[in-house]
Amino acid sequence: DTEVTQTPKHLVMGMTNKKSLKCEQHMGHRAMYWYKQKAKKPPELMFVYSYEKLSINESVPSRFSPECPNSSLLNLHLHALQPEDSALYLCASSQVGTANYGYTFGSGTRLTVV
Amino acid sequence: DQQVKQNSPSLSVQEGRISILNCDYTNSMFDYFLWYKKYPAEGPTFLISISSIKDKNEDGRFTVFLNKSAKHLSLHIVPSQPGDSAVYFCAANGNQFYFGTGTSLTVIP
Repeated sequence: DTEVTQTPKHLVMGMTNKKSLKCEQHMGHRAMYWYKQKAKKPPELMFVYSYEKLSINESVPSRFSPECPNSSLLNLHLHALQPEDSALYLCASSQVGTANYGYTFGSGTRLTVV
Repeated sequence: DQQVKQNSPSLSVQEGRISILNCDYTNSMFDYFLWYKKYPAEGPTFLISISSIKDKNEDGRFTVFLNKSAKHLSLHIVPSQPGDSAVYFCAANGNQFYFGTGTSLTVIP
């Protein structure tokens, strides 16, 4: 299995809703990432988990709450989002400390906040 | 502060010709550079990489060139095919990956 699977593929939520994005990989990667990508912009790093521990939080608002229940799963809990949070949310994974092959990305969750 | 820049937002090339995508970076401490390809509604997929100790890496139709003194790398695709039409991101590895803004390549049949 060489894929990163993200669910759901599309999500529409109201500003008072609570929802979660899920990411799963079975490649034995011990680093997992959440990126946010707006149209025509590069992916922006949000969070990094290394060995299931949060190692980087790029000053992301608290309405985004990551969780790494185990080495294969990564969640992003969403609460009280704003319309400007609408974007493609990408999950990625990699071996810890390996740079030459970069990350394996999921297909993303297209989030629309109404 | 954009540490990795792709100054051409779009490029159109005739099928069979060479596509050259360019990328500039500012941090001389970057030690790995990668190119990703992205189709609409999909995540980026890894294409090719190069270590800072090399100046060229080739994989089939794709070649990446690195000029460390100029802090510049380029991706050559030859011959270009319509299926190569996508957005191409370069990325550099420091304490995290820094992505360029992307170049949208259109290969015209």
